[in-house]
Amino acid sequence: QQPVQSPQAVILREGEDAVINCSSSKALYSVHWYRQKHGEAPVFLMILLKGGEQKGHEKISASFNEKKQQSSLYLTASQLSYSGTYFCGTEGSSNDYKLSFGAGTTVTVRA
Amino acid sequence: DADVTQTPRNRITKTGKRIMLECSQTKGHDRMYWYRQDPGLGLRLIYYSFDVKDINKGEISDGYSVSRQAQAKFSLSLESAIPNQTALYFCATSDSGWGDYPRETQYFGPGTRLLVL
Repeated sequence: QQPVQSPQAVILREGEDAVINCSSSKALYSVHWYRQKHGEAPVFLMILLKGGEQKGHEKISASFNEKKQQSSLYLTASQLSYSGTYFCGTEGSSNDYKLSFGAGTTVTVRA
Repeated sequence: DADVTQTPRNRITKTGKRIMLECSQTKGHDRMYWYRQDPGLGLRLIYYSFDVKDINKGEISDGYSVSRQAQAKFSLSLESAIPNQTALYFCATSDSGWGDYPRETQYFGPGTRLLVL
């Protein structure tokens, strides 16, 4: 079952912050975040494993709350290069090794 | 050279035709995946393979078949294409995972844009 992402789209000005949420109705083992530029392949940002750790990639960070079965991606001081569609992919167990992806959140950063 | 390649990059075909999409990787990964992407639906898993002798259906396998010819090659076939199979198709690979980092990311190919008329 696909995780649910919110919001579907967000428009930011350079320097503003945003949060993208990814929620699942099932228990999660890991959450993977990807960014896809228009017409390109998805590119890996980070993996969060069961345990609630927070990770960062430049000024993009994420958290994973396994009890709530959700993850959030934080875009801080957004740059034009952050524009794209962000997908979360989830694994239900340590034996899964396959991802269920959300429908994506389109982020547009304007000057 | 790209680590994950897909051929063709674009394809137009007619309803009822058989078509094959090919994926090759030089990353030495055991695991390979086929996804389709439709606007507003994200990426949906069609088939996946954890080694040459292991093939598994994903969430939307109806109308598709696959072949894992070698560790590096994984092909997706549409036996009789229909218009609602028009989509962007991605191949991806991942490693088994070693040591302290039990989870490997998936690496995506550039995609094949398929139009079925």
